[in-house]
Amino acid sequence: KNQVEQSPQSLIILEGKNCTLQCNYTVSPFSNLRWYKQDTGRGPVSLTIMTFSENTKSNGRYTATLDADTKQSSLHITASQLSDSASYICVVTAGDSTDKLIFGTGTRLQVFP
Amino acid sequence: DTAVSQTPKYLVTQMGNDKSIKCEQNLGHDTMYWYKQDSKKFLKIMFSYNNKELIINETVPNRFSPKSPDKAHLNLHINSLELGDSAVYFCASSRLKNTEAFFGQGTRLTVV
Repeated sequence: KNQVEQSPQSLIILEGKNCTLQCNYTVSPFSNLRWYKQDTGRGPVSLTIMTFSENTKSNGRYTATLDADTKQSSLHITASQLSDSASYICVVTAGDSTDKLIFGTGTRLQVFP
Repeated sequence: DTAVSQTPKYLVTQMGNDKSIKCEQNLGHDTMYWYKQDSKKFLKIMFSYNNKELIINETVPNRFSPKSPDKAHLNLHINSLELGDSAVYFCASSRLKNTEAFFGQGTRLTVV
């Protein structure tokens, strides 16, 4: 069964600290993996999108990694800011004809001063 | 300029009513989507339209009917609303099927 699991479910860190969010998936075949940031009351905003051949991609203080062999991805946030408080959602696109998007349930990050 | 805009932002209505949510994108994208986010914040795709043709319908009840008058618009019409339809509905668009999707701000639907 195609699934995307994220951990931790929620995370609290202090401003300025780094953190890493995890995403494990069982989707096969695989097309791409995306990380989205969703602020409370807003729509998700794309952070990164990675295909099978890419193992790291950065967007400012956000760095995503992908290990297609172990089917794991991580999102590392450097020098966190209060504005990083949001939900982070991992989405995997199936590589078959359906192009089905499988969403993780997200990690709720709170950054405290 | 808002890239993906949906209206209304909030919608409160009684069970059994019919309502519509409108979505417009000014990005020139070929693919548009409707997502439902439930109270547990889980996003689930409902529909995908590519060049005005439906390409995904994720086992959504037929009370939900997407309407795309043109490439820039994908409206969602819901008949006979039920309590379980209460959720936040997001419209999104992307240039191609597997490229970055841009989301609207969501419509919070509450059925009472």
